[in-house]
Amino acid sequence: DGGITQSPKYLFRKEGQNVTLSCEQNLNHDAMYWYRQDPGQGLRLIYYSQIVNDFQKGDIAEGYSVSREKKESFPLTVTSAQKNPTAFYLCASSWQGRDGELFFGEGSRLTVL
Amino acid sequence: AQSVTQPDIHITVSEGASLELRCNYSYGATPYLFWYVQSPGQGLQLLLKYFSGDTLVQGIKGFEAEFKRSQSSFNLRKPSVHWSDAAEYFCAVGAQGYQKVTFGTGTKLQVIP
Repeated sequence: DGGITQSPKYLFRKEGQNVTLSCEQNLNHDAMYWYRQDPGQGLRLIYYSQIVNDFQKGDIAEGYSVSREKKESFPLTVTSAQKNPTAFYLCASSWQGRDGELFFGEGSRLTVL
Repeated sequence: AQSVTQPDIHITVSEGASLELRCNYSYGATPYLFWYVQSPGQGLQLLLKYFSGDTLVQGIKGFEAEFKRSQSSFNLRKPSVHWSDAAEYFCAVGAQGYQKVTFGTGTKLQVIP
């Protein structure tokens, strides 16, 4: 079945460590996104990518990094520079020209100990 | 900049009763409008979307929404709520050629027997 796979679903990290969240899609979508979700704040855009080897910062990119070496993959690294990394992270994808019509993965919950 | 307001943080309805979730948006041009649903600990699923044309749009699971430009609203409705509809609902706004989608803060729906 086509879809978006995020891993791991749960992740624990010590302060000062970098961690990478995986996002893979087999929908043949061009665009991919990373959102952060905190209780009562909705979803906030971290990074997005419309094509391979290109990506743009969203509204809260500080302390995060991404890469887009393959169309299917858009990993997110939460660096030690991110001051409050504990959150639920959602990856999404969409077709070009269907702006806003997003398909989401099941999310990764990161907890910093 | 675009923005979305969902004035109700939490709504409780009885099973079988009708439902209306409110959404107001701010955007200078013709918006793309969306409603997404999220079950606890899961990703988001698209319920319905408005790009253009008929202002009353039908979605999955018996939901519908009406775009009212004069009121800058895109309220979600369902004539008879089922217990399985208990979830969090997010309104979102985007635009043609604009990859960044802005989400509201969500409305959590509780369904009581």
